[in-house]
Amino acid sequence: DIQMTQSPSSLSASVGDRVTITCRASQGIRNDLGWYQQKPGKAPKRLIYAASSLQSGVPSRFSGSGSGTEFTLTISSLQPEDFATYYCLQHNSYPTLTFGGGTKVEIK
Amino acid sequence: EVQLVQSGAEVKKPGESLKISCKGSGYSFTSYWIGWVRQMPGKGLEWMGIIYPGDSDTRYSPSFQGQVTISADKSISTAYLQWSSLKASDTAMYYCARHGGPDKGFDYWGQGTLVTVSS
Repeated sequence: DIQMTQSPSSLSASVGDRVTITCRASQGIRNDLGWYQQKPGKAPKRLIYAASSLQSGVPSRFSGSGSGTEFTLTISSLQPEDFATYYCLQHNSYPTLTFGGGTKVEIK
Repeated sequence: EVQLVQSGAEVKKPGESLKISCKGSGYSFTSYWIGWVRQMPGKGLEWMGIIYPGDSDTRYSPSFQGQVTISADKSISTAYLQWSSLKASDTAMYYCARHGGPDKGFDYWGQGTLVTVSS
């Protein structure tokens, strides 16, 4: 089974900061990875698909990069509405999937 | 518009059985895998399993194999997650999500069903 290691598990940042979250796969997964944002009490919302493609309607301050085993989600300038928990999700082992452990982004 | 609508919150006692549902609309229900995801209170997302409604091919995460049963009724575009004997540790929010295809991942999500198991 493919394991996804996400880091950090939490971070504190200020509005306007640049934030970077990483996911590492236990084996190569090409670009079969998405990034999701979840706010309390809500279903996850996809931000990025195919590692670097921005979901329609998602602000351009979100970007994704990587291929193979290492992937990054970057928020270029953190906004108040971005405080949430972020997850990576690999789907290379179609149709099975694996989530990363999550990163909680909190206000400093 | 693609929509996944889940059944409402449930409160059950340990040992009881339960079946929750996820109804798809706005797309060909039989052509996409539907997965289930658990989120225990204050914890992360866990992939439980997935079903292809077209032929009921089902796969489970090793962590959930034998603990739950996933099924689907394509005649009413509905997928199900069921337990035969609930435990307090099954208390969680459960989400269904559509797998958009080999290069897509989960693209649409249900609103979630909260299951509370307490004596």
